[in-house]
Amino acid sequence: DQQVKQNSPSLSVQEGRISILNCDYTNSMFDYFLWYKKYPAEGPTFLISISSIKDKNEDGRFTVFLNKSAKHLSLHIVPSQPGDSAVYFCAASALYTGTSYDKVIFGPGTSLSVIP
Amino acid sequence: ETGVTQSPTHLIKTRGQQVTLRCSSQSGHNTVSWYQQALGQGPQFIFQYYREEENGRGNFPPRFSGLQFPNYSSELNVNALELDDSALYLCASSVRGEVPYEQYFGPGTRLTVT
Repeated sequence: DQQVKQNSPSLSVQEGRISILNCDYTNSMFDYFLWYKKYPAEGPTFLISISSIKDKNEDGRFTVFLNKSAKHLSLHIVPSQPGDSAVYFCAASALYTGTSYDKVIFGPGTSLSVIP
Repeated sequence: ETGVTQSPTHLIKTRGQQVTLRCSSQSGHNTVSWYQQALGQGPQFIFQYYREEENGRGNFPPRFSGLQFPNYSSELNVNALELDDSALYLCASSVRGEVPYEQYFGPGTRLTVT
């Protein structure tokens, strides 16, 4: 039972255009969401997060949108750069409402290619 | 500031053997989590340690066990290795209660079971 889904295994975008990566979740207990980026031979790197009390969070070129009623979030990258080419993982946690540990559930990832 | 390190980088074991993977947390971090990442999948939560005690486990059997030491380094032990245990094993360190909550990952140990 996959609680965090990323239905697009891959995405190709031209340099300078917008990249939109989507993520859906099923567990209504999730109240904190994160995006990680992973390059080959490296561990995932934290990118941006959002708590369920917000519907948008921005950090430079990266914006995450959360639609709680649809149990959907998306990561927008504007403008996309070749260095953004990586695997992006959506992750979720019941940070505030869950048990005593900070269990983070990851989606399967979307491989983004930004074409120069 | 030293990041999260893991050793070894790669490991090849035979089915039925036992393996120990090591992780050194980022300085100042008191929590370590271990993940298994199979090919083409996202990291799967194995368990988490805080103050040297396991305080959360994912859907993994008891042959997966761990330790956290006073200096916040950690070990993942896997007994009776199976072919399906072949994966990238990631450890991540964090500070409990800190928001925004971030986990800092090591580069992983690639385990191959033959």
